[in-house]
Amino acid sequence: KNEVEQSPQNLTAQEGEFITINCSYSVGISALHWLQQHPGGGIVSLFMLSSGKKKHGRLIATINIQEKHSSLHITASHPRDSAVYICAVRSRGGADGLTFGKGTHLIIQP
Amino acid sequence: DAEITQSPRHKITETGRQVTLACHQTWNHNNMFWYRQDLGHGLRLIHYSYGVQDTNKGEVSDGYSVSRSNTEDLPLTLESAASSQTSVYFCASSPGYEQYFGPGTRLTVT
Repeated sequence: KNEVEQSPQNLTAQEGEFITINCSYSVGISALHWLQQHPGGGIVSLFMLSSGKKKHGRLIATINIQEKHSSLHITASHPRDSAVYICAVRSRGGADGLTFGKGTHLIIQP
Repeated sequence: DAEITQSPRHKITETGRQVTLACHQTWNHNNMFWYRQDLGHGLRLIHYSYGVQDTNKGEVSDGYSVSRSNTEDLPLTLESAASSQTSVYFCASSPGYEQYFGPGTRLTVT
């Protein structure tokens, strides 16, 4: 069983919709990352969280350490938000390397 | 501007050949990582390094080796390429928690 589970695996929505992507993990962590990967493959770090909530533009990330759960929200979604969103965790006491979820493939239709 | 680069970006090789993928970063980060990305598995950690002369095995290290002779470079070597090593390879560097990813190398082993 993967230590990091994301849902949904695939999501298609209309432009303007509010998007939520969920991430659950089973290990104690020191940090959780949300990454974005566009077609063409480049990976960009969106957020790094160890508690609470962070906001950047239309993107919001939250984490509940007790429930081992994080969400990534996109408000007023736009076709340029279409990408794969990946949740990754840095285990507490483990290597600095990340353990990744399998990603959520998001398509925003105009 | 500081950056992280990978070369080559695409490579086709034959089974049994030795292959080296290059990763170079100009941020002077101590921590560097190699991941592979495969459909159905997401990204997985191959090897990582915390500094010069330091190397460590990750989740999927069999068949791969790395060396760290300076801060800027962490080359990944496939000693005898196998078809199972066909994948997209990402290098990343980190000053601590945040990770910065290279553009990736698509490797095909025929």
